Amino acid sequence: ILNVEQSPQSLHVQEGDSTNFTCSFPSSNFYALHWYRWETAKSPEALFVMTLNGDEKKKGRISATLNTKEGYSYLYIKGSQPEDSATYLCAPTNFGNEKLTFGTGTRLTIIP
Amino acid sequence: DAMVIQNPRYQVTQFGKPVTLSCSQTLNHNVMYWYQQKSSQAPKLLFHYYDKDFNNEADTPDNFQSRRPNTSFCFLDIRSPGLGDAAMYLCATSRDRYLEQYFGPGTRLTVT
Repeated sequence: ILNVEQSPQSLHVQEGDSTNFTCSFPSSNFYALHWYRWETAKSPEALFVMTLNGDEKKKGRISATLNTKEGYSYLYIKGSQPEDSATYLCAPTNFGNEKLTFGTGTRLTIIP
Repeated sequence: DAMVIQNPRYQVTQFGKPVTLSCSQTLNHNVMYWYQQKSSQAPKLLFHYYDKDFNNEADTPDNFQSRRPNTSFCFLDIRSPGLGDAAMYLCATSRDRYLEQYFGPGTRLTVT
């Protein structure tokens, strides 16, 4: 069982401010790192699937970086908007095991 | 356009009374997953189907079973729900192993 940690557990950010949070995971046998956004009463939605060390992916105001050697990924949100309020989940996978092992998530609340 | 549909969204069952949760997909994906998420915990994989090939997680209770009669549908059967089975149950699909997953909105199960 992979040990996946996300921090902080929850975060309140003023609208317009930028923020970031962390996902850490075991670096051995790493295959890919998934990020999902889960808004209340909606379906979790895939944001990024990252595989390469040093990779950076971007979707609008949201971006993510990956360090597979030390086992962490950062998610950044620039200029937070109320619609960014959600729980952000990360989940690594290993070679030979496509199972997603989720962290407990970072619950982000944007204050208007 | 809903791609992964879960019914019902809320289900109340009595202690020990069998219950079935359903999931359907319009994506024609090969892989279907069932996750259980208890309050403030990480979503936990119960089992998944790769096409018709069933894969049970080692720590999934025997009380939980699944059926996939065709590509589009997958069911989660809880034979004798206990109070500890109250949770959010998420269904997800992916086109193939290791790829991003598409989630339904979940069914919240209450056991009385």
